[in-house]
Amino acid sequence: QSALTQPRSVSGSPGQSVTISCTGTSSDVGAYNYVSWYQQHPGKAPKLMIYDVTKRPSGVPDRFSGSKSGNTASLTISGLLGEDEADYYCCSYAGTFTSVFGSGTKVTVL
Amino acid sequence: EVQLVQSGAEVKKPGESLKISCKGSGYSFTTFWIAWVRQMPGEGLEWMGIIYPGDSDTRYSPSFQGQVTISADKSITTAYLQWNSLKASDTAIYYCARHPRYSTSSSSFDPWGQGTQVTVSS
Repeated sequence: QSALTQPRSVSGSPGQSVTISCTGTSSDVGAYNYVSWYQQHPGKAPKLMIYDVTKRPSGVPDRFSGSKSGNTASLTISGLLGEDEADYYCCSYAGTFTSVFGSGTKVTVL
Repeated sequence: EVQLVQSGAEVKKPGESLKISCKGSGYSFTTFWIAWVRQMPGEGLEWMGIIYPGDSDTRYSPSFQGQVTISADKSITTAYLQWNSLKASDTAIYYCARHPRYSTSSSSFDPWGQGTQVTVSS
């Protein structure tokens, strides 16, 4: 199980949109609609932002959206705010009750 | 409120053993999985393994199989992560997180514990 591939960093100005990609294989991202995304601020525990590719938990702003095509999932943050500056991790189910995380992406708000 | 509360920070020497805990409350502890996730200093999240406290079914990432032991005591709604012989490279923050039953056709880790810092140094 290798980590899913994410860009090391993305950046955008307030109000803009940014998209983070998460590339796996036909054994994880491509095989299941079970991709989730987590936001982690420095010194804090991760927080669930998106699950099952496109679903948003209660309390997560609708500026956050998810999608998937083939072996690549994506998280889009629209209307970027300063508070969105954080690390973001994707995660995919990989079969037999196991999961794998992405390498992580630092989002910078310019 | 659904909560996972982890045990406090630990400082250990190489070769020592350690067991850290994760106590669940506010939900049915035996009908959700509990996963353990490692975050080494300045690095990303790594999925270590998962346990279903209802029947103690446990799965490990190949990277962690044989290196750690995951267990649970459903009578006190607590999951554990254990090492028999720590190494300096085990220095990290360890998180626990709840996962729904896989039969629900959904996958997410929510909520997370606050994390346990483990430092291994001679």
